[in-house]
Amino acid sequence: EVQLVESGGGLVQPGRSLRLSCAASGFTFDDYSMHWVRQAPGKGLEWVSDIIWNSGRIRYADSVKGRFTISRDNARNSLYLQMNSLRVEDTALYFCAKEMQGAATVRLDVWGQGTTVIVSS
Amino acid sequence: SYVLTQPPSVSVAPGQTATITCGGNNIGTKSVHWYHQKPGQAPVLVVYDDSDRPSGIPERFSGSNSGNTATLTISRVEAGDEADYYCQVWDNISDHVLFGGGTKLTVL
Repeated sequence: EVQLVESGGGLVQPGRSLRLSCAASGFTFDDYSMHWVRQAPGKGLEWVSDIIWNSGRIRYADSVKGRFTISRDNARNSLYLQMNSLRVEDTALYFCAKEMQGAATVRLDVWGQGTTVIVSS
Repeated sequence: SYVLTQPPSVSVAPGQTATITCGGNNIGTKSVHWYHQKPGQAPVLVVYDDSDRPSGIPERFSGSNSGNTATLTISRVEAGDEADYYCQVWDNISDHVLFGGGTKLTVL
């Protein structure tokens, strides 16, 4: 079964850091680009970042650029999101998602259940 | 920057057809993908590349895309279709993934 399981969320004060993890199973992890997408309470989906299979191309949303760092460890079938200088507006449910192969566009066909990040003093 | 516009809500009676739109400048030149998200659950891809369905998604879900509007159509709506629906594109100008604001489908 193809599965993504996020972890690492929690309550953190503004300005502090947090590292999210996503454990992948059931597919050949290093064949696929991976994404982080977040959802603030009661709001819609917001793309955060993505990384291709060999970490050779990384992209970030403007709202997190310079503060968040995406990375992956293909040997461990894991995706990470290092979040620094956290702000109240980063409070959200963070999903990791797998990208479908095979087109000059982005389609996310497998999602984890998410991990909650709350930034509050 | 590129913007995707969805109606906040759509209501439909069971057995009828629901139409959810996603507006964007010349969106017909982009590939549009649709997700549904039920409360407390992760999003699920229901239509990709404008009109294709992942395995396991009923034929009742279909999509189209032309001009400035992409459309998700759900035929013979069931109570279980009640969810938030999001359109999504990849914007080649910003090189970002973009989501629409979401549409809450209510089955009356």
